[in-house]
This record gives sequence, C-alpha cells and structure tokens, in this order.
Amino acid sequence: EVQLVQSGAEVRKPGESLKISCQGSGYSFTTFWIGWVRQMPGKGLEWMGIIYPDDSQIRYSPSFQGQVTISADKSISTAYLQWSSLKASDTAMYYCVRRDYYASGRPGDWFDPWGQGTLVTVSS
Amino acid sequence: SSELTQDPAVSVALGQTVRITCQGDSLRTYYASWYQQRPGQAPVLVIYGKNNRPSGIPDRFSGSSSGNTASLTITGAQAEDEADYYCNSRDSSGNHWVFGGGTKLTVL
Repeated sequence: EVQLVQSGAEVRKPGESLKISCQGSGYSFTTFWIGWVRQMPGKGLEWMGIIYPDDSQIRYSPSFQGQVTISADKSISTAYLQWSSLKASDTAMYYCVRRDYYASGRPGDWFDPWGQGTLVTVSS
Repeated sequence: SSELTQDPAVSVALGQTVRITCQGDSLRTYYASWYQQRPGQAPVLVIYGKNNRPSGIPDRFSGSSSGNTASLTITGAQAEDEADYYCNSRDSSGNHWVFGGGTKLTVL
C-alpha cells in the first residue's frame, strides 16, 4: 500500500524553529515528486511547494518562497518542511502529497495519496 | 486570489445530480484534478485527468472539461458526499500548482 505518514502535532512559540516530516512507503520514493499543502483553520487548501527526492529539485509557490524550506532525505524516504522563525500566522494543518502525472498527451497532474496531516500551533 | 475559481457553496437534493465547476485560463492547457475533504479529514483524490477515478471512488463521480472550465459531476448524490471539494491544476506560468477556493457541497 502506498502511504505517506507525517510526524505528529507540534506546539511552538513565535520565533521558534520547526521541522516536520513525511515518510513515504510502498513505492519508489525517489521517482515521485512530494508536495506540501497548507490549510489554515477554517480555510481552503494552499499549494506551498514541491520536491523531487532523487536530486532535490525544488519549486516553491511564490507565496511561500523564503518563508519555508523544503528538503528530502532519500536514504530514509522522508521529505521535510521547516521554518526558521515561526509566526502565529503559521498555525495550520500541513499535508504532504505525492505527485503523479501524464507522461504524454495533454498534460495533467494529480496528488495521491495525502499524508494524514500535521497540525502546527504557534502561540505565545 | 486563486487563479482557479470555484463557487463557494452548492446544494443538491438527495439522489439528484450536481455539477461543481472550476474556472481558470490554465485549464485550457492542463487537466484539473479534484479532491473531496470531509470535516476533520485529509483530502482525497476523486477525479484526475480526462475523467479517471482512483480505486475505491464510486462511479457516480465523473469529470469533464471544456475551454477554461473543468467540472466535477456527482450523479445521484448521497449523504456521504456532503463535503468540501477542491480543484487543482497548474498556474498560468505552468511552473507551479494552485488550488481553487473550494466548494462546500450540501446534500439536502
């Protein structure tokens, strides 16, 4: 079974750093892009960025460039999302997703599976 | 604001058909994918590509596309289909991805 399993909920204070993880299993981790999605309380889904674990190519959404760092360690099939200085506005659920796509014909991507989510709470 | 536009809310009577739409210029080039999110749960892929359903998704879910609009249709809506639905595709540059704002589906 293809799975993405994320690390547990975190509570931090503003200004603190944090790194959350997403471990893939049941497939070849290095051959699929892994993305990150934010969902703030009561709000919709926001695309943050994506990494190709084999060579660590990264594409950040313009909205999140410079705000977070995405990385991966292919030796342990794990992707990461990290913050160097958290803000209260970073309070959200964060999901990791595996990207698949059409290799030919009309282009299109899809994201499946999704991790179970990591709730990050930033409060003083 | 999102480059993919969805109606915020749609309702459907139990057993009837409902269509949820997603508009954006990038949809003229790229297929959309659709995700269902029930309260308190992670999103789940329901439709991708021209009209493909992952294993386990009921065949009452279907997808279509015309011009700058992608559509998700539920034929014979059930109570368990009440959820938020999001479309996703590339942005206008083609280098990034973007979600629509989401549509809250109510089954009456």
